Amino acid sequence: GESVGLHLPTLSVQEGDNSIINCAYSNSASDYFIWYKQESGKGPQFIIDIRSNMDKRQGQRVTVLLNKTVKHLSLQIAATQPGDSAVYFCAENYGGSQGNLIFGKGTKLSVKP
Amino acid sequence: KAGVTQTPRYLIKTRGQQVTLSCSPISGHRSVSWYQQTPGQGLQFLFEYFSETQRNKGNFPGRFSGRQFSNSRSEMNVSTLELGDSALYLCASSFHMNTEAFFGQGTRLTVV
Repeated sequence: GESVGLHLPTLSVQEGDNSIINCAYSNSASDYFIWYKQESGKGPQFIIDIRSNMDKRQGQRVTVLLNKTVKHLSLQIAATQPGDSAVYFCAENYGGSQGNLIFGKGTKLSVKP
Repeated sequence: KAGVTQTPRYLIKTRGQQVTLSCSPISGHRSVSWYQQTPGQGLQFLFEYFSETQRNKGNFPGRFSGRQFSNSRSEMNVSTLELGDSALYLCASSFHMNTEAFFGQGTRLTVV
């Protein structure tokens, strides 16, 4: 079946550096993508989303890039802080319903002070 | 504004038993979805409810069921528990099916 995967299961960065978390998706019909952050003991927290008619979207310290040609999604975090340490998931969806998401396995981001 | 509330937070059950988990969505939200999270399979969609009707269903056996009440609160039930059902069960609510989903902290179910 269709799946969403991640290139890197773990990522360790120095505080203040930029982080890039990658994700591959296989369903070419997917038209909506979301990045979630999950801290230990908590549920996933929405970070940023992007629709398939866009290739870039910026938020506060975060940028999501979408490359539909190679079915690739990335999350860039600028000036990474210790509070950014968490597991990051990408999720895809088609059909508009945000309650029916296909999640990737997750990348653990560890920020060294 | 209170977030999504899931009860109980932790639960230990024996194989063969059944369990009911509860989710109270954010006030005003009418869509509730359930996910199972395990280290091996990650986050997997169980089902989605909107206006008391199941709108979407994931690829889980019939032992997994759910429902939504008129106040949008939702419950999910797992019957004849198996060891492999041990997981974090997450509930997410949204105002409508195509708006941002907010997750609760989950219910940690351990089957022994």
